[in-house]
Amino acid sequence: DSGVTQTPKHLITATGQRVTLRCSPRSGDLSVYWYQQSLDQGLQFLIQYYNGEERAKGNILERFSAQQFPDLHSELNLSSLELGDSALYFCASSVTSGGTDTQYFGPGTRLTVL
Amino acid sequence: GQQLNQSPQSMFIQEGEDVSMNCTSSSIFNTWLWYKQDPGEGPVLLIALYKAGELTSNGRLTAQFGITRKDSFLNISASIPSDVGIYFCAGQLRAENSGTYKYIFGTGTRLKVLA
Repeated sequence: DSGVTQTPKHLITATGQRVTLRCSPRSGDLSVYWYQQSLDQGLQFLIQYYNGEERAKGNILERFSAQQFPDLHSELNLSSLELGDSALYFCASSVTSGGTDTQYFGPGTRLTVL
Repeated sequence: GQQLNQSPQSMFIQEGEDVSMNCTSSSIFNTWLWYKQDPGEGPVLLIALYKAGELTSNGRLTAQFGITRKDSFLNISASIPSDVGIYFCAGQLRAENSGTYKYIFGTGTRLKVLA
């Protein structure tokens, strides 16, 4: 157990709909990262937040947005869903200590768009 | 942008054999991380390497941070069926403008162990 939690575990929805994925980082971790992993593919970085502020953007579609709240949990919002958005979505958190930073992943949310 | 070349892409080995995989980059990284991912699960951190030249073991796993800071390898000794999965390397460096860290992931090595 990495200490990073994600809900829901599974999500099935229809095209055109909007969903929200939730992530709680490990206690004390200020950075949250979101990744998308399509079937048999690698991890695609979407977006990073640090202490409530957006810090980096990767290949995130305009239909997707995210935020990090004062209690440091984060939500990834996916709207106008398309079949191709079906994937595993992972959240990771990291903490900087002694000049090093280590990233830990949550169990993921499997999104199926029908 | 930065890329990580991870090889091999996949491996089929016999139980008991040793496994070796590596990642190389044209970029210099501060930290190298190795993860294992089981199907449908999140990547699990296996080993983190923080210093160039560092050699670290975790049970049957050994990883090294290349002296040039541009590469890393992971060895698994005496493989067992539960070693099956996808192994990802990740290089970490300080982001230029944000003051935080960014992670670049390799494309993964798919390991299958034949009993």
